[in-house]
Amino acid sequence: SAVISQKPSRDICQRGTSLTIQCQVDSQVTMMFWYRQQPGQSLTLIATANQGSEATYESGFVIDKFPISRPNLTFSTLTVSNMSPEDSSIYLCSVRSGRNNEQFFGPGTRLTVL
Amino acid sequence: RKEVEQDPGPFNVPEGATVAFNCTYSNSASQSFFWYRQDCRKEPKLLMSVYSSGNEDGRFTAQLNRASQYISLLIRDSKLSDSATYLCVVIVGGYQKVTFGTGTKLQVIP
Repeated sequence: SAVISQKPSRDICQRGTSLTIQCQVDSQVTMMFWYRQQPGQSLTLIATANQGSEATYESGFVIDKFPISRPNLTFSTLTVSNMSPEDSSIYLCSVRSGRNNEQFFGPGTRLTVL
Repeated sequence: RKEVEQDPGPFNVPEGATVAFNCTYSNSASQSFFWYRQDCRKEPKLLMSVYSSGNEDGRFTAQLNRASQYISLLIRDSKLSDSATYLCVVIVGGYQKVTFGTGTKLQVIP
């Protein structure tokens, strides 16, 4: 299994500011995924980050709001830009590895926007 | 119809009971199936994969019914520590689209 760390683990931010979340994996992976989980709901995929190319965004998510960097095979960042209270959520980094392509998650970043 | 559906629960069961959850999926091209466990305020963690032939790991048994398009998770001899939300995950082959269910909440009561 992959070991994933995220920073920060939580933050409280003011409306209109931006926050960058970092994700570090202990092994090289081709794709890294960014999810959002709002209170009481399941996970929603924001985008897939590939090393050396633009991230692929899911419907409802755009690069201007959630810019992603993927400078190498073990690291990615997600920025939540121009935040509003609706962005309050847990943001999770994820990778796939293993024989059955199991998905592993970082511990998440709990974001509260005031 | 949602791509992946689960009964949100909560399922309140006494210690030692046997409990089962189902998860239905709508895409017949789905190829890979998993159960994840998510504790409150924590990230989801892989519980087990679901194989065509079924999968058993200690007190946990997962099964796949392709004809009816559902997977199940059976927990025997429930422990207090089993209290969590159980997420069903379905992957559609080819473009490897991953869909998470909304989860079933289990509360094991002393």
